[in-house]
Amino acid sequence: YDLTQPPSVSVSPGQTASITCTGDNLGGEYVYWYQQKSGQSPVLVISEDTRRPSGIPERFSGSNSDNTATLTISGAQPIDEADYYCQAWDRHTEVVFGGGTKLTVL
Amino acid sequence: EVYLVESGGGLVQPGESLRLSCTASGFTFRNYAMTWVRQAPGMGLAWVSAFSVSRISSSGGDPYYADSVKGRFTISRDNSKNTVYLQMSSLRAEDAATYYCAKSSTSSWNAGFDMWGQGTTVTVSS
Repeated sequence: YDLTQPPSVSVSPGQTASITCTGDNLGGEYVYWYQQKSGQSPVLVISEDTRRPSGIPERFSGSNSDNTATLTISGAQPIDEADYYCQAWDRHTEVVFGGGTKLTVL
Repeated sequence: EVYLVESGGGLVQPGESLRLSCTASGFTFRNYAMTWVRQAPGMGLAWVSAFSVSRISSSGGDPYYADSVKGRFTISRDNSKNTVYLQMSSLRAEDAATYYCAKSSTSSWNAGFDMWGQGTTVTVSS
């Protein structure tokens, strides 16, 4: 089971950044998103497709339908620069991560 | 506040063994599944193993493994010590990575991971 993410996404400050994650029938599974800043541990930013954990800014949102899950950062800020990973459950046997997307905000 | 502290990483030769530990605080450890995720230098995240929580299981939960480590790694937990372990045997060069301990958001091993440790580094080299 492969989860495919674009290697990089670049936006200007204040713009909307969209990071996609594609996989067969992904819409039928919960998708989770993690932010990993350079030299730091990952942080959960979106849970169960759309839920935002406590402390995560409202500008982070998620969706999941058909074969594509999307992490959207509305009004991206320089502090949002990081690697972002999607994660799902593969045929109920393994946890799978996407390859990661490097977000640049400049 | 929730803390996860990993330890046990180090330099080993191919074929050797190593045991990682992750000690938790700030939450009721026995109620949550725990997971190990690794990240090779410059690479992405890769799930390694998880230990669920189950009132049905005689051991209090069930282990799950990625195919790449099945038969070589063993996950266990000691709820009395709030600690999860990863016993790694027959280590290979491709096992070299930073190993993160992560807390599942539920008792189930397939939920999201809402807290991560700082990681411990495993180097496999002759």
